Parts: sequence; structure tokens; C-alpha cells
Amino acid sequence: AQSVSQHNHHVILSEAASLELGCNYSYGGTVNLFWYVQYPGQHLQLLLKYFSGDPLVKGIKGFEAEFIKSKFSFNLRKPSVQWSDTAEYFCAVRRYNQGGKLIFGQGTELSVKP
Amino acid sequence: DTGVSQDPRHKITKRGQNVTFRCDPISEHNRLYWYRQTLGQGPEFLTYFQNEAQLEKSRLLSDRFSAERPKGSFSTLEIQRTEQGDSAMYLCASSSDGLKEVAKNIQYFGAGTRLSVL
Repeated sequence: AQSVSQHNHHVILSEAASLELGCNYSYGGTVNLFWYVQYPGQHLQLLLKYFSGDPLVKGIKGFEAEFIKSKFSFNLRKPSVQWSDTAEYFCAVRRYNQGGKLIFGQGTELSVKP
Repeated sequence: DTGVSQDPRHKITKRGQNVTFRCDPISEHNRLYWYRQTLGQGPEFLTYFQNEAQLEKSRLLSDRFSAERPKGSFSTLEIQRTEQGDSAMYLCASSSDGLKEVAKNIQYFGAGTRLSVL
């Protein structure tokens, strides 16, 4: 079955710790990859995206993600988290030329302790 | 406010009743998507429109669900004879079918309508 997997359901970190959230997908072919973030009480917002080119993409608020095609992965990283990064993070995949729909992972809840 | 707008934000209904949700996309966006999100899960695709044409429907969209976008602007999602399993957050997103591939794939989400079926 087509799927997007996020390995961690809940991650708890202290401020200044480094973050890496895993995302794997199970599709062959060309894909577009996204990370969305949902802060408490707010709507989903785009954090960063990969379409083509440099597999290391930078997003807002110091986040970055690396696309590793051979591993079907698109992991999200941040060198030093802040309390304000507390949110739920969703990885999403769009299959090229398969309409516009996004297929989301189940999400990872990040709690950052001050 | 130029974002995606959804109405109502919350809806409580009794089992068996019909409900209708509305989504107003970003004004220049011609693509509109509906997703459903349950607790602890990521959003699941339901259906999408390009202008007024409904181009794809998920198998999640049973016969009780219908979506329309009559003039290619706002969209409505109706659930008939609601069941407790329909309780979820219903999300709307829109995107632009621009000349650049990059623009086509960025979906902007509304705040959602939370449905509770008692």
C-alpha cells in the first residue's frame, strides 16, 4: 500500500537540543516532498519543500531536510530547538503527475522543555 | 484575510443529521482540496477540484459524502445521515495551477471544521 511513515509519534527535547524527525515513503518514481507544521491551535503551515535539485533544502525558522532517494527518506532537522518549536510535524508526499493530493504521515508531536 | 477560510469552525450534530461545511480558497487559486483528520493521524485526502471540475475522489468518500464547487470559487462538503465515525477535523486547502510546477504543489490549508457527531 502507498504510505508515508513517520517513525516517532512523540519526541520530547530540552531547549538547544538537536532535532531529527524521520520520514520514509514507499513510492517509486518522481515525488515532491513536504514538511508541514501545526502549532497549537493553528492551521497547517508549510515548513519546507523539495521538488528537485539540491537534496538539502532549507525552510523557515532554521529547519532543513535532506532527501535521500536511495533510502526513500526525507528527514527533518534543526540544530538547536526552541520552546516555540513545540508543535506537530507532518511529512507529506505528492506523486508526480498523480493529481494534486498530498499523502501525509501520521505526524510527530514535538514537545520542547524550556 | 487572504488565507483559506472555513465555516463553521465547530459543528456538533446528532447522528443521522445532515451537515454542510463551506470552504473559501485563496482568491487566485483554482485548485481546492478536502482532507479529513482524526485524532493522532495525519490528514487523509478526500477529494479535489480544479476550477469547478471534481477530478479525484478517495474511496474514503462514501455515498453519504458529496462535494461541490459550482462556480470554481468556494466549495461545500455535505455529509448526509452522519455517523459517529464521521467525527473528525475536515480540512480544506487550495493551490494555484500556475505556469511554474513549483506553484502547483504548494497547498495552503484552512483552520478546519471540527465535526462532533453525538
